[in-house]
Amino acid sequence: SYKLTQPPSVSVSPGQTARITCSGDALPDQYAYWYQQRPGQAPVLIIYKDTERPPGIPARFSGSSSGTTVTLTISGVQAEDEADYYCQSADTTKVVYVFGPGTKVTVL
Amino acid sequence: EIQLVESGGGLVQLGGSLRLSCAASGFNFSASDIHWVRQASGEGLEWVGRIRPKTDNYATSYAASMKDRFIVSRDDSHNAAFLQIKSLRAEDTAIYYCTRHLAQWGQGTLVTVSS
Repeated sequence: SYKLTQPPSVSVSPGQTARITCSGDALPDQYAYWYQQRPGQAPVLIIYKDTERPPGIPARFSGSSSGTTVTLTISGVQAEDEADYYCQSADTTKVVYVFGPGTKVTVL
Repeated sequence: EIQLVESGGGLVQLGGSLRLSCAASGFNFSASDIHWVRQASGEGLEWVGRIRPKTDNYATSYAASMKDRFIVSRDDSHNAAFLQIKSLRAEDTAIYYCTRHLAQWGQGTLVTVSS
């Protein structure tokens, strides 16, 4: 079955930039989405269609795509950005969806 | 305001069945894809399945590991979606979320499978 790959953890100091990658064979043909999940809360969509940001999501969150890898960038990390981040996409049939394993962002 | 409220979770017996409900409001429910996603304690998000609108013939799709025991359905007249789980296993213990287009999410309902 189709899988997405993410690093398990990323550590970053406040004010610095965090980058989280997500790799998958179908990513050149399928959009990627990114979610933030804080402990005890439901996931929140922060990036859709590789690079778009929903209303209300701070501009420090951005997405990019290159080949089989998509990247979530958090510029000027704040303490409140400490959370788990998941990428999500679909396989080539576009009817089966998949989440990456998640990346825990720790703000030092 | 878009709202999704799951219900129907709780403590259930190993091998039993369960139907979870998702009550929706604040958007055009009948035109929306509804997905179910689950999350075991301390684990990541796992996509369960999706049901499309009437205009797409209520087409359903499931994760490969969910095809046999999980059924997604909807009742557009009541703005509700459902997830039926049969032959419950210990590994089905999780929070189950319903989501609109994987964009808006409910707060989830906890299912605990016990022997």
